[in-house]
Amino acid sequence: EAGVAQSPRYKIIEKRQSVAFWCNPISGHATLYWYQQILGQGPKLLIQFQNNGVVDDSQLPKDRFSAERLKGVDSTLKIQPAKLEDSAVYLCASSPRGAGANEKLFFGSGTQLSVL
Amino acid sequence: AQTVTQSQPEMSVQEAETVTLSCTYDTSESDYYLFWYKQPPSRQMILVIRQEAYKQQNATENRFSVNFQKAAKSFSLKISDSQLGDAAMYFCAYRRNEGSQGNLIFGKGTKLSVKP
Repeated sequence: EAGVAQSPRYKIIEKRQSVAFWCNPISGHATLYWYQQILGQGPKLLIQFQNNGVVDDSQLPKDRFSAERLKGVDSTLKIQPAKLEDSAVYLCASSPRGAGANEKLFFGSGTQLSVL
Repeated sequence: AQTVTQSQPEMSVQEAETVTLSCTYDTSESDYYLFWYKQPPSRQMILVIRQEAYKQQNATENRFSVNFQKAAKSFSLKISDSQLGDAAMYFCAYRRNEGSQGNLIFGKGTKLSVKP
């Protein structure tokens, strides 16, 4: 079974530039998550989709971050404009149903963003 | 708000020995789940073990077991017969049981080194 695919693996940009990350979850997984992991910290949820609807985006900085999941499959996370504090690893995860709090999440290898 | 604390930034263990990683959490909820995730240098988070709060029996998965003390809000991970492949960051995580919602809250992690 193919895992969660993310691209690019690394991205370096200057502050105030825009950047986009792409995620393709495991086939058939209904729920997709985007996490931000700042160096030295655990991941923090940015947004959760159930199929193509948003379940939780309470921690997404909506003035600069946006995300979409077209047709309930792959997803794109965008930052516009980027700030220095956005430097982090952006992890995408998916789960089969999202119907239970104990459901196992499958993570991708993330995109490491450096904002200079 | 729920919080997860991992007080050991780094731990070291000799190959084939046993090591215990500590985790405490704070919540006013009675129904929740606890997890340990492993993050190797590839950055992909991998579920190691999970515990349901209403189950008194400690979870075990092969060489991995937990010591869940609900009253003390403690959830430690024991790795027996440590192997070189166990070297990674380990994150403790909490998720309250509210169906498809319920954010996974991670601690800051413990870096485990395994000495040959």
